[in-house]
This record gives sequence, structure tokens and C-alpha cells, in this order.
Amino acid sequence: DAGVIQSPRHEVTEMGQEVTLRCKPISGHNSLFWYRQTMMRGLELLIYFNNNVPIDDSGMPEDRFSAKMPNASFSTLKIQPSEPRDSAVYFCASSQSLTGVEQETQYFGPGTRLLVL
Amino acid sequence: QKEVEQNSGPLSVPEGAIASLNCTYSDRGSQSFFWYRQYSGKSPELIMFIYSNGDKEDGRFTAQLNKASQYVSLLIRDSQPSDSATYLCAVSFMDSNYQLIWGAGTKLIIKP
Repeated sequence: DAGVIQSPRHEVTEMGQEVTLRCKPISGHNSLFWYRQTMMRGLELLIYFNNNVPIDDSGMPEDRFSAKMPNASFSTLKIQPSEPRDSAVYFCASSQSLTGVEQETQYFGPGTRLLVL
Repeated sequence: QKEVEQNSGPLSVPEGAIASLNCTYSDRGSQSFFWYRQYSGKSPELIMFIYSNGDKEDGRFTAQLNKASQYVSLLIRDSQPSDSATYLCAVSFMDSNYQLIWGAGTKLIIKP
């Protein structure tokens, strides 16, 4: 299994530019999570999809952030316009829809390191 | 308020000794408990999970759960320098709808 795939792995952009991060979950996984990680705030859940439907987006910091999951194998996280405080590592994770603890076990992609100048 | 607390460390342990990492959580409606390891510059990777009181062993790793005390720990026997990483504790709660609540992580350093 290829695992969770994220692109790009690194992104450097200037303040005000649009940034799009991409994620392909593990095949057969029905839940997808977008996280942001910084030294100051640790790992923060931004948004969570189940069966392509956004379930909880309470962690999305503001209207500049949006996420979509048009099908079971692809999701995007967009920041428009980007700001220096958005600089962080963005992780995508996926989990299976089975009963019990397997449903909750999340597998992470390699992350996208975003630097907004 | 659901919270998961970990000592940020760093926790320094000599090679070959037992490393003990601790995690407490604030809500009794908890279900499952996860330990992830994160090397610097890498993504979190699952070590093991536990959902029943008691111990669960996997190789050099042992997870210990005490729901009455709202406490979960991870023991690493025969610590190796390659175990040096940040260890994240995560907890799922009955109404969390498959979400995990994450601790801030404990940085572990194994000294040769």
C-alpha cells in the first residue's frame, strides 16, 4: 500500500498568494483529516471528512482556509490569501470505516512544509 | 473540555534503560488510546493502541492503561538511540465522532 500521499512536500510562497495542498488517502479509507503542526501550538485538527462529507470544520482558523473532498481518493486544502502566520507543516491523515478502534486509527502522510514570506 | 496532557520533556534516558512516557486525560467518556512516534522533520507514525485496562505489549513497547486514574503510559524497554523522538498521546472520546484529541508530545532523548 502506498500510504497517504501529499503534495507538494515543500511550498514557499509570498504573502497574499493562494496556496493549494493536496492529499490522496489510503485506498479504502473513508475518513480524512487535515492537521496543522507548529512548535507553538502542536498538532491541530483543521477539518475532518467522512465519506467525502465535511463533518467538523471548527478547527479551520478563518475564512481564508477552505477544504474540499470531491471524491474518495482526493482532497485539497486551500489558503487564500496566505499570510506569514500560516507557515507550518500541514498533515493529511486517513482512517478506515470499520467498527472499533480500527475506525479511529489514523495514518499520516509525509506532510507539506509551508513557508509564507 | 476534553484535554490530553503530556510532559513536554525532554526526557533523557541512558541507552539500554527503560523509558517511561506518561499521558493523562480529562474526560471519562474516553474510548481508545494511541501512542504515535514522530521523528524530527517526519510525520507521526502509530506505535500501538490500547482500549482495555491493563497492559498491552508489542516487542519492546508496553502500553499501560488505567481508566479509573485517567492515565495511560508507554514503556520502552532496552532503549536505543533510534528511539529518540517525540511521542504523541492521542485519545478518542465517545462523542468525538472518530476524531482524536492529541497531547503536545514528550521529547525523548536516548543517550548512548
